[in-house]
Amino acid sequence: AQKVTQAQTEISVVEKEDVTLDCVYETRDTTYYLFWYKQPPSGELVFLIRRNSFDEQNEISGRYSWNFQKSTSSFNFTITASQVVDSAVYFCALLIYNQGGKLIFGQGTELSVKP
Amino acid sequence: DADVTQTPRNRITKTGKRIMLECSQTKGHDRMYWYRQDPGLGLRLIYYSFDVKDINKGEISDGYSVSRQAQAKFSLSLESAIPNQTALYFCATSVRQGKGNEQFFGPGTRLTVL
Repeated sequence: AQKVTQAQTEISVVEKEDVTLDCVYETRDTTYYLFWYKQPPSGELVFLIRRNSFDEQNEISGRYSWNFQKSTSSFNFTITASQVVDSAVYFCALLIYNQGGKLIFGQGTELSVKP
Repeated sequence: DADVTQTPRNRITKTGKRIMLECSQTKGHDRMYWYRQDPGLGLRLIYYSFDVKDINKGEISDGYSVSRQAQAKFSLSLESAIPNQTALYFCATSVRQGKGNEQFFGPGTRLTVL
């Protein structure tokens, strides 16, 4: 069975702190994609990153970075120098290549960045 | 701009009523999906469609039905709404598999069943 676990339900930090959101996934398939989405208070889902199972390179985009480790089935997301605008619910999701594009979402982590 | 739109954005209804949520896209994508979001549960797949003639049940299809009227339109129906169908509903689209698999989400429909 496929599953995504985001063990942190809520995280609260003070502005400028670094914060890491954990994501652990389960699958027996060898070809899959991992995603992070952001859901700000306005409710829409914003795509942040996609990583395929054959690419374990970490990625940095501005203050955001992602650490993909197949050995631990983890795809963690770090925000450096957090800002109030980063306050949102963040979802990690898994897509199995041979299952037609269905996304399996984690429960979400609500990040609150206080000034 | 190419987009995914959902109507209505908010709806309050009563138990037993029939409700239809509509999704339209101008992205030209083949694949469309309906998800519901509940607090603490993330998003769960209700139905998905690879093209007009290919519709599939997702994880939680009981109590729902769908219609793919055209490539650009995918509607979700609740034949007899019940309170535990109160949730935030998202439509999403994607291109054929193998071309990135990113799903593009609509703005969501907040449904309340009293």
